[in-house]
Amino acid sequence: AQKVTQAQTEISVVEKEDVTLDCVYETRDTTYYLFWYKQPPSGELVFLIRRNSFDEQNEISGRYSWNFQKSTSSFNFTITASQVVDSAVYFCALSENSGNTPLVFGKGTRLSVIA
Amino acid sequence: GAGVSQSPSNKVTEKGKDVELRCDPISGHTALYWYRQSLGQGLEFLIYFQGNSAPDKSGLPSDRFSAERTGGSVSTLTIQRTQQEDSAVYLCASSPPGRYGYTFGSGTRLTVV
Repeated sequence: AQKVTQAQTEISVVEKEDVTLDCVYETRDTTYYLFWYKQPPSGELVFLIRRNSFDEQNEISGRYSWNFQKSTSSFNFTITASQVVDSAVYFCALSENSGNTPLVFGKGTRLSVIA
Repeated sequence: GAGVSQSPSNKVTEKGKDVELRCDPISGHTALYWYRQSLGQGLEFLIYFQGNSAPDKSGLPSDRFSAERTGGSVSTLTIQRTQQEDSAVYLCASSPPGRYGYTFGSGTRLTVV
C-alpha cells in the first residue's frame, strides 16, 4: 500500500529564514512519482514539482529546492529566505506507474511566515 | 475554459438531503479525479475516471456516494442522504492522456447542517 507521511503539522518561521518541509513515502512500486503542491488560503492547489523515481537529482527553482533520497524514502522541500507569501499548506503526494493514477496525499504541513 | 471548473463553489444543505457537485474538466483531459478534504486534513481520494474504462470507485466512503462522467467530459458527484461528517471541500482534478499533469479545480465547500 502507498503512504505519504508529513510529520510536521505546523511550522512557523520569521521572514527570511530557511525552512524545510519533510516528506516520507512508502510504496512497493519501483516506478512512482512524487509531487509537492501548495494550497494558499484561497484553497486552490498549486502544482510545484513532479519527480520520478529514477531521477534522484536535486532540483532548484528560485527559492525552492527539493531533496529526493530513495535510500531514506524521503522527498524534502526547502524554501530559502522565506516570505510572507509562502504562507500556505504544503502537500506531498505520490502516484504509481505513469503518474496519471490517483495521487496519495500526506496530511499537509501548514507553514506560517511571520513578517 | 482554461481550467477545471467546479460548481457550486459553496453548498449548504440540510442533513438527509441529496446533493450534486459538478466538475467540468479541461477539454481533452481523459482522466478525472474526485478528492475530499475535510477540515485540517489531507486530501482523500474518492473516485477516478480514465477514458472509457470502468471507474475506480475504491475510495468512496459509503454507498451514499456515487459519481458519473457523461460523454467523457463533465462529472457529477452525488451524495445521498447527507450526514454532517460529509461536510468538507470536494476537489476535482483532471489530467491529459499519456502524460502527467494534474490540474485541480477550486473545489466545492459542502456544509451539512
